[in-house]
Amino acid sequence: GAVVSQHPSRVICKSGTSVKIECRSLDFQATTMFWYRQFPKQSLMLMATSNEGSKATYEQGVEKDKFLINHASLTLSTLTVTSAHPEDSSFYICSAFPVQFELAAEQFFGPGTRLTVL
Amino acid sequence: GENVEQHPSTLSVQEGDSAVIKCTYSDSASNYFPWYKQELGKRPQLIIDIRSNVGEKKDQRIAVTLNKTAKHFSLHITETQPEDSAVYFCAAGGGYGQNFVFGPGTRLSVLP
Repeated sequence: GAVVSQHPSRVICKSGTSVKIECRSLDFQATTMFWYRQFPKQSLMLMATSNEGSKATYEQGVEKDKFLINHASLTLSTLTVTSAHPEDSSFYICSAFPVQFELAAEQFFGPGTRLTVL
Repeated sequence: GENVEQHPSTLSVQEGDSAVIKCTYSDSASNYFPWYKQELGKRPQLIIDIRSNVGEKKDQRIAVTLNKTAKHFSLHITETQPEDSAVYFCAAGGGYGQNFVFGPGTRLSVLP
């Protein structure tokens, strides 16, 4: 149980285009999902907290107009990188907290999406 | 906000030896400390975690210790094997629904 999927796993796009990444909790509901970005040989950096039915909370330095987050249901959050540029190339990973595990603190991570912007 | 430091950044051990990775955190409100193993290009995998009401936890070859007073926690891997080679991240969090702050990672190499 507690499986999180991401789609696509890998995407290559041209500079200036927009890319949508989906994060789904397959066997549980999640009111809270997190989006992380990981550059090569670096740690996971939290970008934003995605809350079902409300606006996402962005970390300092993350442009909310560039990284659009939508958490329309209890099993799906999407991250759209708008007008992507080469410096946006990174590994994007989502994670989710199961609603039913109210006392648990463990996050379940998706497999990640590698974005390459040419 | 929370700040997590991790040492060493790289660690090489001989197969069969023990490996120890240490982390410190700054926010005394943090009460959940997971350790993740990440292989290249893959998602982080939880290997062990500890809550603030426990000082030590062990799972086979892996153990974690926590000193809340000093705000540091450590990962101990005994009888290391080549398949233990990966990047290990510690993290600190505030419990359910709270995000984690990750340490910078330790690249562990277990030499045969």
